Amino acid sequence: DAGITQSPRHKVTETGTPVTLRCHQTENHRYMYWYRQDPGHGLRLIHYSYGVKDTDKGEVSDGYSVSRSKTEDFLLTLESATSSQTSVYFCAISELGTSGSYEQFFGPGTRLTVL
Amino acid sequence: RKEVEQDPGPFNVPEGATVAFNCTYSNSASQSFFWYRQDCRKEPKLLMSVYSSGNEDGRFTAQLNRASQYISLLIRDSKLSDSATYLCVVRRGSQGNLIFGKGTKLSVKP
Repeated sequence: DAGITQSPRHKVTETGTPVTLRCHQTENHRYMYWYRQDPGHGLRLIHYSYGVKDTDKGEVSDGYSVSRSKTEDFLLTLESATSSQTSVYFCAISELGTSGSYEQFFGPGTRLTVL
Repeated sequence: RKEVEQDPGPFNVPEGATVAFNCTYSNSASQSFFWYRQDCRKEPKLLMSVYSSGNEDGRFTAQLNRASQYISLLIRDSKLSDSATYLCVVRRGSQGNLIFGKGTKLSVKP
C-alpha cells in the first residue's frame, strides 16, 4: 500500500464547470503524477510534479492545470470541463524499488463524467 | 506506430494452462520495463519490473530482449485469480513518465 488516496472517487459534472481532483499521499514522495485512462488508449500522462511548486506537462495536458503547494497533495484542475474529459483519472507516486529502478504506484482512481 | 504495442486479446485459457504475453516497444532509449495488472474498474498494480537478464517471481517470468525491443510475460499454472488485464509499460530515464500499452486481457476459466 503506497498510502495514496484520491477524492472524490466519483463525480458527475456539467460542461463548462471547473472541477478539482485531489491526490493525497502520506509517505513524503517527491514525484507525483496524474494520468487518465480511456477505452482504446493506454494510460496517458497529464501532468507530473517533482517537488513542491515544481510541475511539468505530460502528453495530454491541454485543458488541465495542476498545483502542488505541499508535498502530500497534488491537485488536478479542469478549468472548464468538456465531455472529452470524461475519463478515469489516476494519481501515482514514484519510489525506489528493490529492482534498483523507480517504480510507480497508483491511487484508486476518480471516475469523472462530464455531461 | 504506437510506442508500446500489445496483443489486446482476449486470451481465454483453462486453469492450469501456461500463457504468454508479448509486447514490443519502439523507442530504443527506453530504460526501464514493467508489467502491471489491472482488475476491472481498479487501479493498475505493479506485477513485476523486468530486468535485462530476465526474472522470475513464483509462477511469473518476465524476459527482455533489448536488441529486438521485445518484452514478454509468462504465467505458468494459471489460476482463476490471474484473470485481469496485463499492461506492458516502459519508461525513458530514471524518473521519466511511464508509457503504457493498451493491455492484454486474460480470462482463466475453470
